[in-house]
Amino acid sequence: NAGVMQNPRHLVRRRGQEARLRCSPMKGHSHVYWYRQLPEEGLKFMVYLQKENIIDESGMPKERFSAEFPKEGPSILRIQQVVRGDSAAYFCASSGTDSGNTIYFGEGSWLTVV
Amino acid sequence: GESVGLHLPTLSVQEGDNSIINCAYSNSASDYFIWYKQESGKGPQFIIDIRSNMDKRQGQRVTVLLNKTVKHLSLQIAATQPGDSAVYFCAENRGSGNTGKLIFGQGTTLQVKP
Repeated sequence: NAGVMQNPRHLVRRRGQEARLRCSPMKGHSHVYWYRQLPEEGLKFMVYLQKENIIDESGMPKERFSAEFPKEGPSILRIQQVVRGDSAAYFCASSGTDSGNTIYFGEGSWLTVV
Repeated sequence: GESVGLHLPTLSVQEGDNSIINCAYSNSASDYFIWYKQESGKGPQFIIDIRSNMDKRQGQRVTVLLNKTVKHLSLQIAATQPGDSAVYFCAENRGSGNTGKLIFGQGTTLQVKP
């Protein structure tokens, strides 16, 4: 039973490039969440999606960041024109409709902007 | 305001001793709390959760206590082992239904001395 799968695990981008992070939720899960973790800090909520719907994006920066969870395929967190401050670990989590509020996290994608 | 905090940034214990990690939260409307363990370079791993209608819940070697009067949460680990060394985060869920919008604390690093 595969858990939450994220790729790439590590990504290096130059300033101004685009970063795309992918997340496949646990089998049977239809709710996806993205979190960001800066060094030495806790995780910060970014966005909550269901298939083809953004439910809550209150934690997303207003510019350059977008997320989607299409009908087919993984959820994508997209960061355009990356800056050094975007360097962080990005975690995806998922939950199912029948699992209460138990949220399971992936292993993360570490973005380094040089 | 929105804050979930931990009382101590680092806790050092002897192998075999019991560990107690504390957490304070600020929103009295929060109804669900979770403890996660995060090892270096990995994603948060679910340990145990508790709902606001309970004040204690036990798992394997772990116990979570919830004191709603003073908005305090604690994680007790019995017979701490070297494999327990990690950063521990408490998180609260203020959402209704199945929303996974978690508010994380800053984390406590648990160091287990052999």
